Amino acid sequence: GDSVTQTEGPVTLSEGTSLTVNCSYETKQYPTLFWYVQYPGEGPQLLFKVPKANEKGSNRGFEATYNKEATSFHLQKASVQESDSAVYYCALSVDTNAYKVIFGKGTHLHVLP
Amino acid sequence: EAAVTQSPRNKVAVTGGKVTLSCNQTNNHNNMYWYRQDTGHGLRLIHYSYGAGSTEKGDIPDGYKASRPSQENFSLILELATPSQTSVYFCASGGGQGNTEVFFGKGTRLTVV
Repeated sequence: GDSVTQTEGPVTLSEGTSLTVNCSYETKQYPTLFWYVQYPGEGPQLLFKVPKANEKGSNRGFEATYNKEATSFHLQKASVQESDSAVYYCALSVDTNAYKVIFGKGTHLHVLP
Repeated sequence: EAAVTQSPRNKVAVTGGKVTLSCNQTNNHNNMYWYRQDTGHGLRLIHYSYGAGSTEKGDIPDGYKASRPSQENFSLILELATPSQTSVYFCASGGGQGNTEVFFGKGTRLTVV
C-alpha cells in the first residue's frame, strides 16, 4: 500500500545550523507530496506542497524537491532558528484515492539558542 | 479564515463507556477526516468522509465509528472505550481530490481510565 517513511527524531540542532529531514514514499500511483508542521498545542498546518514530479516547494526558508526517480522528498533549511522547533510531517495523497492523506510518523525538531 | 473546531478539548472517560468526539468546520469542505496521534506512530487515519451521509474506513477503524450528518459536522464515536484508545485525536477538513490543503483542528486529548 501507500506509505511514507521519514527521519526518526528527535533532532536537536543549534541555531544557525542546517537541517535535513529525510522522507521517502511508496506508491504505485501519482502522488502529491506535502510537508506539514505542528507547533505545541496546535494541529498540523501545511508548510508547502508539490503536486508535480521534479519540482520544488518552499516556504519560510524550508524547501523540498519532489524526486520521482528516488521516490524522495527531503526537507531542508540552510539556517534554523529557535522558532523552527516543532514536529514536521511528510505526507502524500494519490490520484486514485484522493480523499486519503497519508502521513509519516513525524520528526520532532529542537533548536537550541 | 478556514476553521475546524473540535469539542471537547479534553476528556476523561471510563473503560467500557461511550465517548463522542465532535468536529465542526466552516470551510464548506467536502472531505473530513479523523486521525489519532501517538508517539512513535505519528498521525494515523481512523475514518474519513467525502460528504454528508458518507463515512469510510481509514487505516485503523477498529473500535471506532463515525457519523457525518451534515456538511459541517463529523463525529467520532467510541462505543466501548478502552485504555488503548487514550490518545490525541485530530479532526481535519479538505476541499477535495486530496491534493489540496487539509486544515486541522486543535485536537482532543482523550484519556480512558
